[in-house]
Amino acid sequence: QKEVEQNSGPLSVPEGAIASLNCTYSDRGSQSFFWYRQYSGKSPELIMFIYSNGDKEDGRFTAQLNKASQYVSLLIRDSQPSDSATYLCAVSQGGKLIFGQGTELSVKP
Amino acid sequence: NAGVTQTPKFRILKIGQSMTLQCTQDMNHNYMYWYRQDPGMGLKLIYYSVGAGITDKGEVPNGYNVSRSTTEDFPLRLELAAPSQTSVYFCASSSNEDTGELFFGEGSRLTVL
Repeated sequence: QKEVEQNSGPLSVPEGAIASLNCTYSDRGSQSFFWYRQYSGKSPELIMFIYSNGDKEDGRFTAQLNKASQYVSLLIRDSQPSDSATYLCAVSQGGKLIFGQGTELSVKP
Repeated sequence: NAGVTQTPKFRILKIGQSMTLQCTQDMNHNYMYWYRQDPGMGLKLIYYSVGAGITDKGEVPNGYNVSRSTTEDFPLRLELAAPSQTSVYFCASSSNEDTGELFFGEGSRLTVL
């Protein structure tokens, strides 16, 4: 079982819709969870982090964490073409970040 | 404000050659990391360091070596290049293991032929 697993996509949504990105992790002891965005040919950049069960909102982005189910998700409301990118889920394990394989999101005008 | 600087940006190697990817950060971060990213894939951790003089293996360390003699520098060494090492390599740094905010360099694209 992969330590951090995401659907690779691509996920295609129309402009203005909600994009839902999902991630599962295997280490029950993990405490910190992160979402990075990576545009094609660029470096990843942090967009959200979440430590506690429940929802965390930041503008159009909402991160959701369920530690019992070992599941973390990212919702993007009112998706824009500029949101088209690969979204990487990452989990902190003892001083290092372990990444999933990423989900490619395409927002169609 | 330079942040994390990687060199070279592009390199083509022949099988069996050696090279060093350089990484320097000017943010006085204790934590530094080397990741590789294959096409359409996520980031795989090669090595990481929690401070000068301390390094540890990540998920895919075979074929690589690192050193951390200063806080600023974290070079990655490939001793005997193999086609399987063709990838994009990212160096990153962080001030705190808990925040998870990694600052990435622009990446180094390596091709082994």
